[in-house]
Amino acid sequence: QITLKESGPTLVKPTQTLTLTCTFSGFSLSTDGVGVGWIRQPPGKALEWLAITYWDDDKRYSPSLKSRLTITKDTSKNQVVLTMTNMDPVDTATYYCAHSPVATGTCWFDPWGQGTLVTVSS
Amino acid sequence: SYELTQPPSVSVSPGQTARITCSGVPLPKQYVYWYQQKPGQAPVLVIYQDTERPSGIPDRFSGSSSGTTVTLTISGVQAEDEADYYCQSPDSSGTYVVFGGGTKLTVL
Repeated sequence: QITLKESGPTLVKPTQTLTLTCTFSGFSLSTDGVGVGWIRQPPGKALEWLAITYWDDDKRYSPSLKSRLTITKDTSKNQVVLTMTNMDPVDTATYYCAHSPVATGTCWFDPWGQGTLVTVSS
Repeated sequence: SYELTQPPSVSVSPGQTARITCSGVPLPKQYVYWYQQKPGQAPVLVIYQDTERPSGIPDRFSGSSSGTTVTLTISGVQAEDEADYYCQSPDSSGTYVVFGGGTKLTVL
């Protein structure tokens, strides 16, 4: 059974850097084709993809947020970390991490973590 | 970049068929995925690679594709199907991921 759980601060101040950790079990990020992605959802709004890291350390970022995002993995700890710099109140959202199954030339997410709400406010 | 367009809302009565469209799929055609999200819960995959249903998803959920539009069909809608539904696809090169704006399904 694959499970993922997000952890990190629930409140950050504007201009600060957000660091979120995704801790997972039930799969290995050293398995060919596997990835872990981050997706966020502002309150009452749609899902927005942020980034993904793959078993081979390939990393992809949302073009609109690329300059602010860094995704890293620690295979030995079964963790993926997302950092987002220069946080703004518009970044207030529930942040999800999700498992990306083995696939060639495509990408999807199953299952997802429960999500963690991050509020940006002074 | 590109956008996936979904209708903001769809309403059906119990037992009827709901169809939710997702247009703007990039060419060359990429696979589309569908997620169901109930209030306060994380999204759940209900259709992958346009038409495939994960284990545990009721067979009343189905997917189809025609050109650059894909459709999620829920046959015999039940009250428990009331949720937001999102389509998702990689871009044409598989470099990044886009979600549609979501469709709120209301069961009358």
